[in-house]
Amino acid sequence: AQSVTQLGSHVSVSEGALVLLRCNYSSSVPPYLFWYVQYPNQGLQLLLKYTSAATLVKGINGFEAEFKKSETSFHLTKPSAHMSDAAEYFCAVSDLSGGFKTIFGAGTRLFVKA
Amino acid sequence: EAGVAQSPRYKIIEKRQSVAFWCNPISGHATLYWYQQILGQGPKLLIQFQNNGVVDDSQLPKDRFSAERLKGVDSTLKIQPAKLEDSAVYLCASSLGPGTGNTIYFGEGSWLTVV
Repeated sequence: AQSVTQLGSHVSVSEGALVLLRCNYSSSVPPYLFWYVQYPNQGLQLLLKYTSAATLVKGINGFEAEFKKSETSFHLTKPSAHMSDAAEYFCAVSDLSGGFKTIFGAGTRLFVKA
Repeated sequence: EAGVAQSPRYKIIEKRQSVAFWCNPISGHATLYWYQQILGQGPKLLIQFQNNGVVDDSQLPKDRFSAERLKGVDSTLKIQPAKLEDSAVYLCASSLGPGTGNTIYFGEGSWLTVV
């Protein structure tokens, strides 16, 4: 069965610094991978997704993620953090073995310091 | 394009009472999901519908939770009787289909507090 592990429940960066949020997945078949963002009191919104095309995926708000099969990772990055990036970020995986279910990680809360 | 609509946004009930949440998905979306998100955790799938049929309800506590999607559009999630541990945000979501690459669109959630 597929699963997702997000390393670090909280990440704090300074404004303008690199953002790196880590996600490792477990899947017995080629996965589809997603990053969602959740702002306070709101639902989740898709940032980007990997669907077996290019391994480097660009999303909204300057975020991107790279699929690395050898490392079973799908880390999310942004070169320069903005205050508005403060939110909770969820990595998710979906594959055929899971019956098309999308499984979410526990989330990483990003804090951005001025 | 209108998003996923949910109501009520907030509900406080006493344990052993009942509560119902309503969801209207994005027009044309065949797949509808109910997720439970407990504070500090990721969303957990409770039930997934394809049109008006259930695709997966393996994590739905069927002794107290029920859900229906009549006519393949709106959906209702009911909890009866509620327990303290049911305090969570209930997220409704929809997608064009159940395929693994489909984007899931979420509503803003219904916040439940059981006291």
